[in-house]
Amino acid sequence: DAGITQSPRHKVTETGTPVTLRCHQTENHRYMYWYRQDPGHGLRLIHYSYGVKDTDKGEVSDGYSVSRSKTEDFLLTLESATSSQTSVYFCAISESTGFYGYTFGSGTRLTVV
Amino acid sequence: GQQLNQSPQSMFIQEGEDVSMNCTSSSIFNTWLWYKQDPGEGPVLLIALYKAGELTSNGRLTAQFGITRKDSFLNISASIPSDVGIYFCAGTLIQGAQKLVFGQGTRLTINP
Repeated sequence: DAGITQSPRHKVTETGTPVTLRCHQTENHRYMYWYRQDPGHGLRLIHYSYGVKDTDKGEVSDGYSVSRSKTEDFLLTLESATSSQTSVYFCAISESTGFYGYTFGSGTRLTVV
Repeated sequence: GQQLNQSPQSMFIQEGEDVSMNCTSSSIFNTWLWYKQDPGEGPVLLIALYKAGELTSNGRLTAQFGITRKDSFLNISASIPSDVGIYFCAGTLIQGAQKLVFGQGTRLTINP
């Protein structure tokens, strides 16, 4: 396996509460990504990182923030969760040179009630 | 917004049938990738294509990078029950860029 883990795997939270999802990799890959998956929309990029403390927004970044203080960890935070953020969240990593596709984690299913 | 149009959105076939799905875009892509997602798991890379016209096989799977660089297809021959899942196309718009754009996915269901 690729050495990428997401935690938690499942979470139910209440509207308005902060939530942090964690992605941890053991591959020392430079690039890390957060996607959300919703029916009919495929995978949409939320934020990505191209190095420690280097992050940028994706196409659906509103309501989300990220942090990367170490190469191996990429955190996704929902400052105040809303029902529209109920989704499955995937973290992905890619190698620092060349381009051979992403390796995905197993996902976090988040339900906001 | 979404820059890749993947079709069909779903397929219901009999075991043993061949499957064909494709992705199109109005933009030019420099890389095309095909992923498969099993239930409860993240997508897994099946095939990567890097040159226009490239045809690549991986077992019963065959994929091609369109000559116009705006499309790609994936074929699965002689489908088996473990082929069930969601198939995603993905591509990169800019040479060397590390961001993938994904299609909406094709959900494949197989009747034994």
